[in-house]
Amino acid sequence: AQTVTQSQPEMSVQEAETVTLSCTYDTSESNYYLFWYKQPPSRQMILVIRQEAYKQQNATENRFSVNFQKAAKSFSLKISDSQLGDTAMYFCAFMKPHVRQGNLIFGKGTKLSVKP
Amino acid sequence: DAGVTQSPTHLIKTRGQQVTLRCSPKSGHDTVSWYQQALGQGPQFIFQYYEEEERQRGNFPDRFSGHQFPNYSSELNVNALLLGDSALYLCASSFGTLNSPLHFGNGTRLTVT
Repeated sequence: AQTVTQSQPEMSVQEAETVTLSCTYDTSESNYYLFWYKQPPSRQMILVIRQEAYKQQNATENRFSVNFQKAAKSFSLKISDSQLGDTAMYFCAFMKPHVRQGNLIFGKGTKLSVKP
Repeated sequence: DAGVTQSPTHLIKTRGQQVTLRCSPKSGHDTVSWYQQALGQGPQFIFQYYEEEERQRGNFPDRFSGHQFPNYSSELNVNALLLGDSALYLCASSFGTLNSPLHFGNGTRLTVT
């Protein structure tokens, strides 16, 4: 069975600084998908970034980038130029390939606070 | 364009009762997935519906059942409620292919007393 571990329950960062959130996972699959989701107090899960395991290049989305280390089964999220609106719970998630997206395995989350 | 809508927002039930939660997918989406998020935890996958059938299921007992209607909306039913069923229930929708990302609703907060 696949597992996702986020070892940092809480983190804080000063506005405009850079922060890295850690995620490790365990799987015997060779192809899979990894995600970072953000959950603000509104409770809605919002996709931040997605990585396909067969792609060597690390995914980036504006201020968000990942460091994907397949051999180490590590998938960290770097947030650059942190903004107050980045304050939220961040969840790392794993998914085996299927016909459609849906069966995601989530970690327990990291609570990120961005301080002014 | 409305996103994923869930109803009700909050619900309080008594142990042993039955509950039905509802989800309308984002316009153009045909696939609905349900998740349970206990307090302080990440969401756990319950099941997924498309073409009006359950297609994938997580590790949840048969007390959890669902349905998808021809208009793609979906219901989650939980029978014989336990205190441990208290959680935020999230619905997510997507369209067709593996590359279609999930869009989540704001969830239904269920409290079982």
